[in-house]
Amino acid sequence: QQQVKQSPQSLIVQKGGISIINCAYENTAFDYFPWYQQFPGKGPALLIAIRPDVSEKKEGRFTISFNKSAKQFSLHIMDSQPGDSATYFCAARWNTGNQFYFGTGTSLTVIP
Amino acid sequence: NAGVTQTPKFQVLKTGQSMTLQCAQDMNHNSMYWYRQDPGMGLRLIYYSASEGTTDKGEVPNGYNVSRLNKREFSLRLESAAPSQTSVYFCASSDGGRVSTFGSGTRLTVV
Repeated sequence: QQQVKQSPQSLIVQKGGISIINCAYENTAFDYFPWYQQFPGKGPALLIAIRPDVSEKKEGRFTISFNKSAKQFSLHIMDSQPGDSATYFCAARWNTGNQFYFGTGTSLTVIP
Repeated sequence: NAGVTQTPKFQVLKTGQSMTLQCAQDMNHNSMYWYRQDPGMGLRLIYYSASEGTTDKGEVPNGYNVSRLNKREFSLRLESAAPSQTSVYFCASSDGGRVSTFGSGTRLTVV
């Protein structure tokens, strides 16, 4: 059973456009929601994260929107660039602090 | 450079063979993790170690064992490899429950 559902599986965006990736969860025991970026042949790298008491967090061109009542959160990449082409994973941390559950990943391609 | 170092980067095993994947971190993190990554499945937690001397099962522990040798090192052992264990394995570490640093992965093929 997938604890965190992520969509879409793949996404193609024009340079300068907005990329949006969505995640949903069911279990209210999650207390921390990070996003990771992974380039081919590399390990995932923490991109941005949010706690459920905050509705939005912005870091540069990357924004997380969090809807606690709907149990959904999303990553927005503004002014998408070819260098943003990578696989993105959302995740959720169990409130005991040590188990993370990951979405299935979104392959983003930004075309010039 | 500081970070998480995994060895080997690539490995081919025959069914039934055993091997140990090594992981070391130099960030003085308390917690360490082993994940496997399969197409369409995301990353799934195999085992984790919240602190030196402790280990716990994750989502998919069957067929694996781990050892937290000291604060720096966390190894993953496959006692009798099976084709279903063909995957990319990632070690990660964190301090304060925030998974922050992953290794570059070990690509394992079991034939």
